[in-house]
Amino acid sequence: DTAVSQTPKYLVTQMGNDKSIKCEQNLGHDTMYWYKQDSKKFLKIMFSYNNKELIINETVPNRFSPKSPDKAHLNLHINSLELGDSAVYFCASSQEAGFGTDTQYFGPGTRLTVL
Amino acid sequence: DQQVKQNSPSLSVQEGRISILNCDYTNSMFDYFLWYKKYPAEGPTFLISISSIKDKNEDGRFTVFLNKSAKHLSLHIVPSQPGDSAVYFCAATSRGSTLGRLYFGRGTQLTVWP
Repeated sequence: DTAVSQTPKYLVTQMGNDKSIKCEQNLGHDTMYWYKQDSKKFLKIMFSYNNKELIINETVPNRFSPKSPDKAHLNLHINSLELGDSAVYFCASSQEAGFGTDTQYFGPGTRLTVL
Repeated sequence: DQQVKQNSPSLSVQEGRISILNCDYTNSMFDYFLWYKKYPAEGPTFLISISSIKDKNEDGRFTVFLNKSAKHLSLHIVPSQPGDSAVYFCAATSRGSTLGRLYFGRGTQLTVWP
């Protein structure tokens, strides 16, 4: 009974392709996030949505486009993939946004490898 | 520019002993700190947190200490168990001003050996 799930778990693709990663949470949370963990292991926030509305948009190339069809889902679409996009992408959710004290629950991650 | 730093990439401790994981931060606006634990092929899971109005928070075998003047926090695990072997991430945020944005360190791999 997974709380935050991501698909796929692994994604290997060629440079220039377009790919999507899906995330779903069954916790009834209002806020969802995308994080990127790069090769140096830093975990950095990319986006966050609260009730389907974008509230955090870090300095991320516009090739990355999040989509939230409803508050239980936050998908990440990446256009024209580059070698530097290779990383582990984590989805997370929390009950509320704006205070930072709400526990964020993470998905298992999607390891993206761009060849 | 990393605002949260974990300068020890790894730590090895014998079972039953104390594990001390350290974390430093640079942003004086941070007022809430968290530790997350991560096993391989899984996402980080919340472990323990502390508000800047406290200098210590304890939960079972886990205690977090905060030294605001030094901008330093540490996680103590006593006694350490083999199941504690994981990557531990320190995170920080500023309540009400960062929209839930957490700033993470790069993690410390803890290995607890029998």
